[in-house]
Amino acid sequence: QQQVKQSPQSLIVQKGGISIINCAYENTAFDYFPWYQQFPGKGPALLIAIRPDVSEKKEGRFTISFNKSAKQFSLHIMDSQPGDSATYFCAASKHDMRFGAGTRLTVKP
Amino acid sequence: SQTIHQWPATLVQPVGSPLSLECTVEGTSNPNLYWYRQAAGRGLQLLFYSVGIGQISSEVPQNLSASRPQDRQFILSSKKLLLSDSGFYLCAWREWDRGHGGELFFGEGSRLTVL
Repeated sequence: QQQVKQSPQSLIVQKGGISIINCAYENTAFDYFPWYQQFPGKGPALLIAIRPDVSEKKEGRFTISFNKSAKQFSLHIMDSQPGDSATYFCAASKHDMRFGAGTRLTVKP
Repeated sequence: SQTIHQWPATLVQPVGSPLSLECTVEGTSNPNLYWYRQAAGRGLQLLFYSVGIGQISSEVPQNLSASRPQDRQFILSSKKLLLSDSGFYLCAWREWDRGHGGELFFGEGSRLTVL
């Protein structure tokens, strides 16, 4: 069962543009919502995370927007750079962690 | 500091052969341990997780099994591999008291090709 739905599947953005990836979850018991970044052949690494008691969290060029009532959250990458090209996963967690299907981001120079 | 080791990094196995992937964590005690599988171009599928020695929860019924013989050791096994078992297998850990959420740390992964 897919408890976390992520879109789009792939995304191409010009350097300097804004990348936006969206996720929706079903289980209201989830209480931790991270985004992971994965480069080819490597394990995913935590990028940024949010808890449901806040609506937005910003770290540098990366921002999570969280809408508890809609059970949706999104990742915004400002001033996207070619080095941001990777696969991004949203996730939702209570005792285990459920991942979205991933978004392959390509930032063109 | 905590580290996670996973091996082998790459393996090619014939259909019907056994499998053993091993994962160890250093620098922490009683971690929660996880096995995920990532098929080509797809997301991360949770296969097993463990909150303690000998305690294994299975998410997907299949021909894979997991064991936790020691506190910081997690093993993924199969008696007979199928073609559909091919994928990128990731071990991960989280602090045991992070029942309310917390960072999941991944290993470097093991790429399995079943021929």
